[in-house]
Amino acid sequence: DTEVTQTPKHLVMGMTNKKSLKCEQHMGHRAMYWYKQKAKKPPELMFVYSYEKLSINESVPSRFSPECPNSSLLNLHLHALQPEDSALYLCASSQEITYEQYFGPGTRLTVT
Amino acid sequence: GESVGLHLPTLSVQEGDNSIINCAYSNSASDYFIWYKQESGKGPQFIIDIRSNMDKRQGQRVTVLLNKTVKHLSLQIAATQPGDSAVYFCADLNSGYSTLTFGKGTMLLVSP
Repeated sequence: DTEVTQTPKHLVMGMTNKKSLKCEQHMGHRAMYWYKQKAKKPPELMFVYSYEKLSINESVPSRFSPECPNSSLLNLHLHALQPEDSALYLCASSQEITYEQYFGPGTRLTVT
Repeated sequence: GESVGLHLPTLSVQEGDNSIINCAYSNSASDYFIWYKQESGKGPQFIIDIRSNMDKRQGQRVTVLLNKTVKHLSLQIAATQPGDSAVYFCADLNSGYSTLTFGKGTMLLVSP
């Protein structure tokens, strides 16, 4: 099973809302990632978790808050987002941080 | 070629042709390279990888070539099919830094 699942598939939220994106993998991978992707652009790394600890934060604004409750789950908590945060948010996992990454289908986020 | 603004480089081929997608990377310390395929509305899908101690690797209908001297990577797709239509991203990893850097992407359009 090489599947990474993400929920919800689509999310529309206002600038004052609080919402969460969820990601799950059951491949026993110890590294998990959040990426942001705008239309016609490559994915941009936001956060990296390795063995459930945050190892990289690519200077992401604090309105994005990641959480790794256990080795299979990764959340991204959203609060007070801006319209320019509208994008496809991708989760990925890999066996270790130097191995190939497997991506989920993404959550299409629209901030109104 | 490199994309500018919102325009992805596009390669248009006929079904049955062989396709070659090129990628330049900038980090001479990169030692691991991956090609991803991203269909519309989906997350990137792992296609094939290659480590810097190799210059060629073959998969099913795909071949990746690595030229470290000129920091160039290519993906060859044999007998291209309409289902191969997608955006293709190369990505490189410096295992010392442990994050993937994605190229700008190439859109492959396959007509029947």
